Amino acid sequence: ETGVTQSPTHLIKTRGQQVTLRCSSQSGHNTVSWYQQALGQGPQFIFQYYREEENGRGNFPPRFSGLQFPNYSSELNVNALELDDSALYLCASRRDSQTSYEQYFGPGTRLTVT
Amino acid sequence: KQEVTQIPAALSVPEGENLVLNCSFTDSAIYNLQWFRQDPGKGLTSLLLIQSSQREQTSGRLNASLDKSSGRSTLYIAASQPGDSATYLCAVSFGNEKLTFGTGTRLTIIP
Repeated sequence: ETGVTQSPTHLIKTRGQQVTLRCSSQSGHNTVSWYQQALGQGPQFIFQYYREEENGRGNFPPRFSGLQFPNYSSELNVNALELDDSALYLCASRRDSQTSYEQYFGPGTRLTVT
Repeated sequence: KQEVTQIPAALSVPEGENLVLNCSFTDSAIYNLQWFRQDPGKGLTSLLLIQSSQREQTSGRLNASLDKSSGRSTLYIAASQPGDSATYLCAVSFGNEKLTFGTGTRLTIIP
């Protein structure tokens, strides 16, 4: 069984640029969530995708957007990067959108905005 | 507001000791609670998932308990080892699509 994978591992961008982060969900999982973790903090929910549709969103501005593909992999796009966007971005997958299912996290992408 | 709190923020114990990590949450109407481990700069590793209908879960040296009425969960680690050093995060599902996380307890096991 393949776990959750994310790419790239690290990324450095300049303020105002755009970035795309990628996630492959665990085999058999159709639900993907994205979280942002600032240094020393717990992860904060960005949004969730279930069968290619966004079905939940946290308190993040519209410049944070996403996609989920038919194979259930996912992308997180961030436009007009700000210094405060520097964080570890985590992707999580689970078997279905029901909250009873365990979530499995990937290794994360470390984004640095200068 | 649904919040999750973990105290203390950091804990150091000698190798071999048993220890307890604490997690509290503000809303007793939870669906489940999950404990994670995070090594520095890394992703989250799921340790235990407790459904709202359960009182505890065990995996090896780890035991997690859940008391919804008091809004508390504990993670018990038996016979601690240096490899247990990490940050431990508690996350609660309040019935919507997201997990709400605490800020974690950074555990250091002293050889």
